[in-house]
Amino acid sequence: DAGVTQSPTHLIKTRGQHVTLRCSPISGHKSVSWYQQVLGQGPQFIFQYYEKEERGRGNFPDRFSARQFPNYSSELNVNALLLGDSALYLCASSLGVGPNTGELFFGEGSRLTVL
Amino acid sequence: DAKTTQPNSMESNEEEPVHLPCNHSTISGTDYIHWYRQLPSQGPEYVIHGLTSNVNNRMASLAIAEDRKSSTLILHRATLRDAAVYYCILYRTGNQFYFGTGTSLTVIP
Repeated sequence: DAGVTQSPTHLIKTRGQHVTLRCSPISGHKSVSWYQQVLGQGPQFIFQYYEKEERGRGNFPDRFSARQFPNYSSELNVNALLLGDSALYLCASSLGVGPNTGELFFGEGSRLTVL
Repeated sequence: DAKTTQPNSMESNEEEPVHLPCNHSTISGTDYIHWYRQLPSQGPEYVIHGLTSNVNNRMASLAIAEDRKSSTLILHRATLRDAAVYYCILYRTGNQFYFGTGTSLTVIP
């Protein structure tokens, strides 16, 4: 079975531009969450979606938004890119939500460089 | 925020047990303790999780202090494939998933 897939794997943008990152969860998983990992640091939680509804949000500005589609895939959008948005963006899927519903399965990430 | 504190790095000899500590003094009653590890250029991988009682699985054991303000991930026999950054995470009701700073584990052959 395919794992969590993310696209694109690498991309370069300039300040002020907009970016869309995509994530396909493992088949049967209804929850997707997004994380930002700056080089040398641990991942930081951005959003969690379950059944197309936002179930959790981390401390990120409104420039960050996401949505989940009927097939449970998800998009993360970042507007007005800043240099500090350069990071690895990780997507994770799980069967459900909540701290005891089992493990998160992570994709390999989309590496965004903002120049 | 639900914070965790871990040593930046640790070393272990191959085939020896490894105890990776984590402090989480701000833990609330409903926070679960999760551990994930991350190899270079890969996404994090689930290791184990628990609430109050000690937990065992095929990968590791999780020992949780009675007051839940700290926990220890135990790898019973370290192998070279266990070299990774290990993250201690508090998973809070409301779906907030807070990664700690992580411990970089080096396994010495």
